Amino acid sequence: QSVLTQPPSISAAPGQKVTVACSGSSTNIGNSYVSWYQQVPGTAPKLLIYDDDKRPPGIPDRFSGSKSGTSATLGITGLQTGDEADYYCGTWDTSLNGAVFGGGTQLTVL
Amino acid sequence: QVQLVQSGAEVRKPGASVTVSCEASGFTLNIYNIHWVRQAPGQGLEWMGWIDTMTDATHYQQKFQGRVTMTADRSISRASLEVTGLTSDDTAVYYCARVEVTAIPLILGMDLWGQGTPVSVSS
Repeated sequence: QSVLTQPPSISAAPGQKVTVACSGSSTNIGNSYVSWYQQVPGTAPKLLIYDDDKRPPGIPDRFSGSKSGTSATLGITGLQTGDEADYYCGTWDTSLNGAVFGGGTQLTVL
Repeated sequence: QVQLVQSGAEVRKPGASVTVSCEASGFTLNIYNIHWVRQAPGQGLEWMGWIDTMTDATHYQQKFQGRVTMTADRSISRASLEVTGLTSDDTAVYYCARVEVTAIPLILGMDLWGQGTPVSVSS
Protein backbone atom coordinates (compact mmCIF):
# COMPACT_ATOMS: atom_id res chain seq x y z
CA GLN A 1 0.00 0.00 0.00
CA SER A 2 1.70 3.19 -1.21
CA VAL A 3 1.48 6.44 0.74
CA LEU A 4 0.66 8.35 -2.45
CA THR A 5 -2.24 7.19 -4.61
CA GLN A 6 -2.09 6.95 -8.40
CA PRO A 7 -4.37 5.27 -10.94
CA PRO A 8 -2.86 1.91 -11.94
CA SER A 9 -3.17 2.53 -15.67
CA ILE A 10 -4.22 5.00 -18.33
CA SER A 11 -4.25 4.87 -22.10
CA ALA A 12 -4.62 7.26 -24.99
CA ALA A 13 -3.92 7.52 -28.70
CA PRO A 14 -0.80 9.04 -30.24
CA GLY A 15 -0.99 12.82 -30.35
CA GLN A 16 -3.49 13.02 -27.52
CA LYS A 17 -3.03 14.46 -24.05
CA VAL A 18 -3.17 12.60 -20.75
CA THR A 19 -2.96 13.51 -17.10
CA VAL A 20 -1.75 11.34 -14.25
CA ALA A 21 -3.10 12.14 -10.82
CA CYS A 22 -1.26 11.70 -7.54
CA SER A 23 -3.09 12.08 -4.26
CA GLY A 24 -1.49 12.48 -0.86
CA SER A 25 -2.01 14.28 2.43
CA SER A 26 -0.98 17.31 4.44
CA THR A 27 2.17 15.56 5.66
CA ASN A 28 3.53 14.89 2.18
CA ILE A 29 2.23 16.60 -0.96
CA GLY A 30 0.54 19.32 1.08
CA ASN A 31 3.79 20.22 2.78
CA SER A 32 6.57 19.23 0.36
CA TYR A 33 7.62 19.37 -3.27
CA VAL A 34 6.59 16.77 -5.81
CA SER A 35 8.75 15.01 -8.36
CA TRP A 36 7.70 12.79 -11.24
CA TYR A 37 9.67 9.89 -12.67
CA GLN A 38 9.37 7.92 -15.90
CA GLN A 39 10.40 4.29 -15.91
CA VAL A 40 10.55 2.34 -19.14
CA PRO A 41 10.30 -1.38 -18.22
CA GLY A 42 13.70 -2.89 -17.57
CA THR A 43 15.41 0.46 -17.03
CA ALA A 44 16.04 2.82 -14.13
CA PRO A 45 13.62 5.64 -13.30
CA LYS A 46 14.31 9.02 -14.88
CA LEU A 47 13.46 12.41 -13.38
CA LEU A 48 10.81 14.23 -15.41
CA ILE A 49 9.58 16.95 -13.06
CA TYR A 50 10.93 18.39 -9.81
CA ASP A 51 9.85 21.20 -7.47
CA ASP A 52 6.22 20.51 -8.46
CA ASP A 53 6.45 21.94 -11.98
CA LYS A 54 10.04 22.29 -13.19
CA ARG A 55 11.69 20.24 -15.91
CA PRO A 56 15.34 19.15 -15.83
CA PRO A 57 17.45 19.97 -18.88
CA GLY A 58 16.57 17.76 -21.81
CA ILE A 59 13.00 17.02 -20.77
CA PRO A 60 10.62 18.26 -23.50
CA ASP A 61 7.92 20.78 -22.65
CA ARG A 62 5.31 18.16 -23.58
CA PHE A 63 5.71 17.12 -19.95
CA SER A 64 4.29 19.39 -17.26
CA GLY A 65 3.58 19.24 -13.55
CA SER A 66 1.17 21.01 -11.26
CA LYS A 67 0.05 20.81 -7.66
CA SER A 68 -2.98 21.92 -5.71
CA GLY A 69 -3.37 21.25 -2.01
CA THR A 70 -2.65 17.60 -1.38
CA SER A 71 -2.79 16.47 -5.02
CA ALA A 72 -0.39 16.71 -7.93
CA THR A 73 -0.81 16.10 -11.63
CA LEU A 74 1.55 15.13 -14.44
CA GLY A 75 0.46 16.21 -17.91
CA ILE A 76 1.76 14.79 -21.17
CA THR A 77 0.75 16.32 -24.49
CA GLY A 78 1.39 15.13 -28.03
CA LEU A 79 1.65 11.51 -26.91
CA GLN A 80 4.24 9.37 -28.64
CA THR A 81 4.70 5.62 -28.60
CA GLY A 82 8.01 6.24 -26.84
CA ASP A 83 6.09 7.67 -23.88
CA GLU A 84 4.84 4.19 -22.98
CA ALA A 85 6.22 3.67 -19.50
CA ASP A 86 5.37 3.62 -15.81
CA TYR A 87 5.10 7.02 -14.15
CA TYR A 88 5.69 7.59 -10.45
CA CYS A 89 5.10 10.60 -8.25
CA GLY A 90 7.34 11.12 -5.25
CA THR A 91 7.80 13.56 -2.43
CA TRP A 92 8.99 13.92 1.18
CA ASP A 93 6.73 12.96 4.03
CA THR A 94 7.33 15.10 7.10
CA SER A 95 5.54 12.66 9.40
CA LEU A 96 7.48 9.61 8.23
CA ASN A 97 10.61 11.74 7.76
CA GLY A 98 11.35 9.96 4.53
CA ALA A 99 10.68 9.85 0.83
CA VAL A 100 7.44 8.32 -0.41
CA PHE A 101 6.26 7.26 -3.85
CA GLY A 102 2.99 6.56 -5.55
CA GLY A 103 2.23 3.04 -6.70
CA GLY A 104 2.91 3.99 -10.30
CA THR A 105 0.73 4.49 -13.37
CA GLN A 106 1.26 2.43 -16.50
CA LEU A 107 0.73 4.52 -19.62
CA THR A 108 -0.26 2.76 -22.82
CA VAL A 109 -0.20 4.67 -26.09
CA LEU A 110 -2.65 2.84 -28.32
CA GLN B 1 30.10 11.14 -18.50
CA VAL B 2 27.96 11.86 -15.46
CA GLN B 3 26.59 8.58 -14.14
CA LEU B 4 26.14 6.27 -11.19
CA VAL B 5 27.48 2.81 -11.87
CA GLN B 6 26.27 -0.02 -9.66
CA SER B 7 27.73 -3.44 -9.00
CA GLY B 8 26.42 -6.53 -10.72
CA ALA B 9 23.58 -8.95 -9.98
CA GLU B 10 23.70 -11.00 -6.79
CA VAL B 11 22.15 -14.29 -5.69
CA ARG B 12 21.91 -15.13 -2.02
CA LYS B 13 20.34 -17.73 0.23
CA PRO B 14 17.88 -16.75 2.97
CA GLY B 15 19.63 -15.42 6.05
CA ALA B 16 22.65 -14.19 4.11
CA SER B 17 23.82 -10.62 3.54
CA VAL B 18 24.47 -8.65 0.39
CA THR B 19 26.38 -5.45 -0.36
CA VAL B 20 25.56 -3.31 -3.38
CA SER B 21 27.96 -0.57 -4.47
CA CYS B 22 27.29 2.64 -6.36
CA GLU B 23 30.18 4.55 -7.93
CA ALA B 24 29.89 8.18 -9.01
CA SER B 25 31.48 9.06 -12.32
CA GLY B 26 31.88 12.53 -13.82
CA PHE B 27 30.89 14.42 -10.68
CA THR B 28 31.87 14.71 -7.06
CA LEU B 29 29.72 13.20 -4.33
CA ASN B 30 30.35 16.11 -1.98
CA ILE B 31 27.22 18.11 -2.71
CA TYR B 32 24.91 15.15 -3.04
CA ASN B 33 23.15 12.74 -0.76
CA ILE B 34 22.72 9.19 -1.98
CA HIS B 35 19.32 7.59 -1.62
CA TRP B 36 18.59 3.91 -2.01
CA VAL B 37 15.34 2.72 -3.59
CA ARG B 38 14.29 -0.83 -4.33
CA GLN B 39 11.72 -2.35 -6.65
CA ALA B 40 10.37 -5.86 -6.16
CA PRO B 41 9.33 -7.78 -9.31
CA GLY B 42 6.23 -6.20 -10.82
CA GLN B 43 5.95 -3.71 -7.97
CA GLY B 44 6.50 0.01 -7.45
CA LEU B 45 9.37 1.99 -5.98
CA GLU B 46 10.17 1.63 -2.28
CA TRP B 47 12.45 4.15 -0.56
CA MET B 48 14.94 2.60 1.86
CA GLY B 49 16.92 5.54 3.21
CA TRP B 50 19.73 7.96 2.48
CA ILE B 51 23.27 8.89 3.44
CA ASP B 52 24.81 12.34 3.67
CA THR B 53 28.09 11.76 1.85
CA MET B 54 29.78 14.71 3.60
CA THR B 55 28.96 13.83 7.20
CA ASP B 56 28.16 10.10 6.83
CA ALA B 57 24.87 10.75 8.62
CA THR B 58 22.24 8.20 7.65
CA HIS B 59 18.49 7.91 7.87
CA TYR B 60 16.72 4.64 7.24
CA GLN B 61 13.07 3.91 6.68
CA GLN B 62 11.77 2.40 9.88
CA LYS B 63 10.97 -0.86 8.10
CA PHE B 64 14.68 -1.43 7.43
CA GLN B 65 16.12 -0.25 10.74
CA GLY B 66 18.64 -2.75 12.10
CA ARG B 67 18.94 -4.63 8.83
CA VAL B 68 20.38 -2.03 6.51
CA THR B 69 23.65 -0.11 6.58
CA MET B 70 24.53 2.68 4.16
CA THR B 71 28.09 3.91 3.84
CA ALA B 72 30.04 6.28 1.62
CA ASP B 73 33.71 6.64 0.75
CA ARG B 74 34.33 10.07 -0.75
CA SER B 75 37.93 9.20 -1.61
CA ILE B 76 36.74 6.74 -4.25
CA SER B 77 33.34 8.37 -4.92
CA ARG B 78 31.49 5.25 -3.87
CA ALA B 79 28.39 4.58 -1.79
CA SER B 80 27.35 1.16 -0.56
CA LEU B 81 24.25 -0.53 0.77
CA GLU B 82 24.42 -3.63 2.96
CA VAL B 83 21.31 -5.64 3.71
CA THR B 84 21.48 -8.45 6.26
CA GLY B 85 19.09 -11.23 7.21
CA LEU B 86 17.81 -11.60 3.66
CA THR B 87 14.46 -13.21 2.96
CA SER B 88 12.63 -13.88 -0.28
CA ASP B 89 10.82 -10.58 0.28
CA ASP B 90 14.13 -8.80 -0.34
CA THR B 91 14.27 -10.06 -3.92
CA ALA B 92 14.27 -6.83 -5.90
CA VAL B 93 16.26 -4.46 -8.05
CA TYR B 94 18.16 -2.03 -5.85
CA TYR B 95 18.83 1.48 -7.14
CA CYS B 96 21.03 4.28 -5.86
CA ALA B 97 20.02 7.83 -6.74
CA ARG B 98 21.63 11.19 -6.08
CA VAL B 99 19.88 14.16 -4.54
CA GLU B 100 21.53 17.57 -4.40
CA VAL B 101 21.89 18.80 -0.84
CA THR B 102 19.42 21.59 -0.07
CA ALA B 103 17.62 22.89 2.99
CA ILE B 104 14.33 21.52 1.66
CA PRO B 105 14.23 17.72 1.36
CA LEU B 106 13.91 16.40 -2.17
CA ILE B 107 12.91 19.73 -3.71
CA LEU B 108 15.25 18.99 -6.60
CA GLY B 109 14.20 15.37 -6.90
CA MET B 110 16.37 12.29 -7.50
CA ASP B 111 18.03 13.57 -10.63
CA LEU B 112 20.41 10.73 -11.45
CA TRP B 113 19.90 7.01 -10.93
CA GLY B 114 22.20 4.02 -11.13
CA GLN B 115 21.34 1.28 -13.58
CA GLY B 116 20.05 -0.98 -10.79
CA THR B 117 21.39 -4.15 -9.17
CA PRO B 118 19.13 -7.23 -9.19
CA VAL B 119 19.30 -9.19 -5.95
CA SER B 120 17.67 -12.60 -5.85
CA VAL B 121 17.12 -14.43 -2.56
CA SER B 122 16.29 -18.10 -2.89
CA SER B 123 17.08 -21.37 -1.17
